[in-house]
Amino acid sequence: GAVVSQHPSWVICKSGTSVKIECRSLDFQATTMFWYRQFPKQSLMLMATSNEGSKATYEQGVEKDKFLINHASLTLSTLTVTSAHPEDSSFYICSATSRAIADTQYFGPGTRLTVL
Amino acid sequence: AQSVAQPEDQVNVAEGNPLTVKCTYSVSGNPYLFWYVQYPNRGLQFLLKYITGDNLVKGSYGFEAEFNKSQTSFHLKKPSALVSDSALYFCAVRDVGDDKIIFGKGTRLHILP
Repeated sequence: GAVVSQHPSWVICKSGTSVKIECRSLDFQATTMFWYRQFPKQSLMLMATSNEGSKATYEQGVEKDKFLINHASLTLSTLTVTSAHPEDSSFYICSATSRAIADTQYFGPGTRLTVL
Repeated sequence: AQSVAQPEDQVNVAEGNPLTVKCTYSVSGNPYLFWYVQYPNRGLQFLLKYITGDNLVKGSYGFEAEFNKSQTSFHLKKPSALVSDSALYFCAVRDVGDDKIIFGKGTRLHILP
């Protein structure tokens, strides 16, 4: 149990375009989802926390207008990278949790974004 | 503020030998502690966690970890390493009452055949 999926697994886009990444909890209802960014050979950096039905809470230094997060249902959160630039190229990982799974975060497989 | 330290960037172990990946933490209250493993170009897989109770926690793939409150440590262990255990391992801590978890920088484990 506690499976989280992400789509797409990789995406290449042109500079200036927007990209949407989906995160789904497949076998549980996720009251809270998290979005992380990981640079090569580095740890995960938390970008934002999103609770179903409310606005996301962004970490310091993360532009909320740049990285739009929507958590419209208990099984789906989306991250939209707006007007993407090459420096936004990274590995984006989501996680999901709820009281029903003892507050453990389960992670999606990640999305590799490359902005040309 | 909570923090977690993984003092080793890389650990090399011969196949069949016991392995230890070190982790120390700092929190203001009682900690929730986690270990995750990451294979190349993949997300993180949950291995085990400590919330309360027995200090020795057993998890997936034969891994275990021991919570030591006096030393503020939560080292990951396995009695006999497999080549397939080679991966990046992250220790993480969460303070009670906080949704967020803080990750260590990761330790790359190489199991030598």
